[in-house]
Amino acid sequence: EAGVTQSPTHLIKTRGQQATLRCSPISGHTSVYWYQQALGLGLQFLLWYDEGEERNRGNFPPRFSGRQFPNYSSELNVNALELEDSALYLCARDPWTGGSGGTEAFFGQGTRLTVV
Amino acid sequence: RKEVEQDPGPFNVPEGATVAFNCTYSNSASQSFFWYRQDCRKEPKLLMSVYSSGNEDGRFTAQLNRASQYISLLIRDSKLSDSATYLCVVNDYGGSQGNLIFGKGTKLSVKP
Repeated sequence: EAGVTQSPTHLIKTRGQQATLRCSPISGHTSVYWYQQALGLGLQFLLWYDEGEERNRGNFPPRFSGRQFPNYSSELNVNALELEDSALYLCARDPWTGGSGGTEAFFGQGTRLTVV
Repeated sequence: RKEVEQDPGPFNVPEGATVAFNCTYSNSASQSFFWYRQDCRKEPKLLMSVYSSGNEDGRFTAQLNRASQYISLLIRDSKLSDSATYLCVVNDYGGSQGNLIFGKGTKLSVKP
């Protein structure tokens, strides 16, 4: 319904490891937004990719990185995992093709990352 | 720092009650405003956009006051199924355009 597929749904990692999260918007949508929702903190903007390029970045350390592939799917990588990285990571798309951001977004079901 | 602030609640109301949520935002350049609904351990889903003239969708009414930088959501005749967290959202226009700023949400629990 939302037109965004995320994988995996759950991920458990050990502190210091790397996590890779994936997101695929439906065909024709070139923008992908990543958000982190940690307990008690609300949704925090992480990254915005459009047409294969990083367009904007939230206030997160460099160990949070990502990329967008030619088919507009995206990966979010979190290196040197810390316990406080445990959160629901959500990927979203614009409601229409060629969106410029800042409008309503449709979210995937998220990846719940647990760092132990 | 641009922020969106909401009363976290929880709001515990009986079925049939009318409940109102408020939200304030700090970026006067924001141009798009929304209410999202998020069920426990699920992704947020758009409930409704908020327009300057106010808008209504069934039991839900949203209002925007640009002068006060204030947004509200009114739910009439509450149903059990309305129990969720309601997120106030604005676009971060003029600063780091391309992303939405979310409030932390207001939790609503409708009881029989």
